[in-house]
Amino acid sequence: EVQLVESGGGLVQPGRSLKLSCAASGFTFSNYYMAWVRQAPTKGLEWVASITNSGGSTYYRDSVKGRFTISRDNAKSTLYLQMDSLRSEDTATYYCTNDRYWGQGVMVTVSS
Amino acid sequence: DVVLTQTPPTLSATIGQSVSISCRSSQSLLHSNGNTYLHWLLQRPGQSPQLLIYSVSRLESGVPNRFSGSGSGTDFTLKISGVEAEDLGVYYCVQGTHAPRTFGGGTKLELK
Repeated sequence: EVQLVESGGGLVQPGRSLKLSCAASGFTFSNYYMAWVRQAPTKGLEWVASITNSGGSTYYRDSVKGRFTISRDNAKSTLYLQMDSLRSEDTATYYCTNDRYWGQGVMVTVSS
Repeated sequence: DVVLTQTPPTLSATIGQSVSISCRSSQSLLHSNGNTYLHWLLQRPGQSPQLLIYSVSRLESGVPNRFSGSGSGTDFTLKISGVEAEDLGVYYCVQGTHAPRTFGGGTKLELK
């Protein structure tokens, strides 16, 4: 059974950092491009960042460039999202996905 | 960025009724490699999104065949032939042809 399990979310003050993890199982993680997609409360889906299967290339939406870093550890079948200089507008549920499979999501709340 | 416009934003249906959702793109989604990376997702209430259809018309494994997708270029349609109660939720189209990946605004399917 394919599973993507996110962790690391929570309440954080503006300007602080948080690191999300996504543990994958049930498929060959190293064969897949992976991405983080977020959903603000009551809003639609928004792509945040993606990474190629080898980790050699990464891509970010403009609003998170320079603040977020996507990475992966294929030996551990784990995807990461380091989020620095967090802003209130980053408040959302964050999903990891390879387009075909989606995690259950992890909530990030940025508030003082 | 490619803008995906979904219509209608809300759809009321009775059980057994057939319905269609439109997704129009601001640019052609035909990739230079000949593929069209337009997919459809369903997000049931309180759940993470799930892939229904990929590459315009290919049914994801385990998805009932009452779901079908069609279209080309900039105009795409998701059809449900005989709505069932488990189909209620928000449908999103998403494109992966042009970076960055973008999502439609969503169509909420509810019971009439």
